[in-house]
Amino acid sequence: DAKTTQPNSMESNEEEPVHLPCNHSTISGTDYIHWYRQLPSQGPEYVIHGLTSNVNNRMASLAIAEDRKSSTLILHRATLRDAAVYYCILMRGSQGNLIFGKGTKLSVKP
Amino acid sequence: AAGVIQSPRHLIKEKRETATLKCYPIPRHDTVYWYQQGPGQDPQFLISFYEKMQSDKGSIPDRFSAQQFSDYHSELNMSSLELGDSALYFCASRRDETGELFFGEGSRLTVL
Repeated sequence: DAKTTQPNSMESNEEEPVHLPCNHSTISGTDYIHWYRQLPSQGPEYVIHGLTSNVNNRMASLAIAEDRKSSTLILHRATLRDAAVYYCILMRGSQGNLIFGKGTKLSVKP
Repeated sequence: AAGVIQSPRHLIKEKRETATLKCYPIPRHDTVYWYQQGPGQDPQFLISFYEKMQSDKGSIPDRFSAQQFSDYHSELNMSSLELGDSALYFCASRRDETGELFFGEGSRLTVL
């Protein structure tokens, strides 16, 4: 499975936008870019995924670089409940497995 | 909406004992995944099932086995438990065509 690289940690202020970067330079044409997050003592939670085009949903936006070698998860207005570990994961095809790497621990300050 | 149900939520066992964890996927989800998350670690993929057949295998020890039954629920059996097996075990399910995994709240296994 192709590897992703994320910063270990990031900080944000409440109600400000947050941009979480992810590099995936070895991505293949059939790899979907998935983002999950894990709050303390909870199971991972789906955030968003995309293939080539930018995606928006009620939780976040996903901006995918034109060459697909990087992507950015955008939380438009961070809340304290958004403090979690965010994982950027490449899934081979639409039926592959999620292989978790090292995510980004997001802290949100009031 | 129904979520992925895992049982038991907490389990305490002695070394060398056996444990069984159960997972009930969301109705009409045909793929089930098992993950292990040790303290301070990221989730590690163990095994997955699609339509009751094993579809992929990750870092699952030989002491562990799993299966998916005709009603789509799955069980993870762990034998000869070791201290290092103490972890959170997550089950996830997915409806084949969407790509999104739904995770349960996990079963916390403590081996003494």
